[in-house]
Amino acid sequence: QVQLQESGPGLVKPSQTLSLTCTVSGGSISSGGYYWSWIRQHPGKGLEWIGYIYYSGSTYYNPSLKSRVTISVDTSKNQFSLKLSSVTAADTAVYYCARVDILTGYYWDYWGQGTLVTVSS
Amino acid sequence: DIQMTQSPSSLSASVGDRVTITCRASQGIRNDLGWYQQKPGKAPKRLIYAASSLQSGVPSRFSGSGSGTEFTLTISSLQPEDFATYYCLQHNSYPRGFTFGPGTKVDIK
Repeated sequence: QVQLQESGPGLVKPSQTLSLTCTVSGGSISSGGYYWSWIRQHPGKGLEWIGYIYYSGSTYYNPSLKSRVTISVDTSKNQFSLKLSSVTAADTAVYYCARVDILTGYYWDYWGQGTLVTVSS
Repeated sequence: DIQMTQSPSSLSASVGDRVTITCRASQGIRNDLGWYQQKPGKAPKRLIYAASSLQSGVPSRFSGSGSGTEFTLTISSLQPEDFATYYCLQHNSYPRGFTFGPGTKVDIK
């Protein structure tokens, strides 16, 4: 059973960089066929796709966040990470990592439990 | 960028009601769309893929239809466990990006 777990600070100051890591267990990030993704959900709001990384390191980001987002992968640790720079209160949200199965119709099949990140001084 | 809209944004219904939710894309996306259900504090769960195919293990009261720019999710007879928020998700963008609809919250009348 694949499991994903987000980790990182729950409080970030405005203008700083939000950094989160997703640790994958029960499966290897290095196996092809999956996008490893980040999504966020503002309090009481809908879902916003942030971006994804393939095991090879290729990435694609939501154009609306592209200038501030970096997603990286560490296959040796079976982890992938999110950095979001120059944060403001508008970046306060629950951040999820998820796996997208490319071969079954881009099925978002496994998700982390989500981690609330608050941007505040 | 492909934008997705959903209607209604919320609805109140009773157990046994037939419920229909509509999702529209800003440009044609063929059938590259799925429907997801999210309950409070939980990650979303896929119900429908390729616009009209039922995900394994999902009750047959859920169905999807549509192609191009307009899609619908129908719950034929609403059950207590179906009160949740429903999102459409497109994956037609190239490079392969994703866009969620804004969601439809279904609550008890």
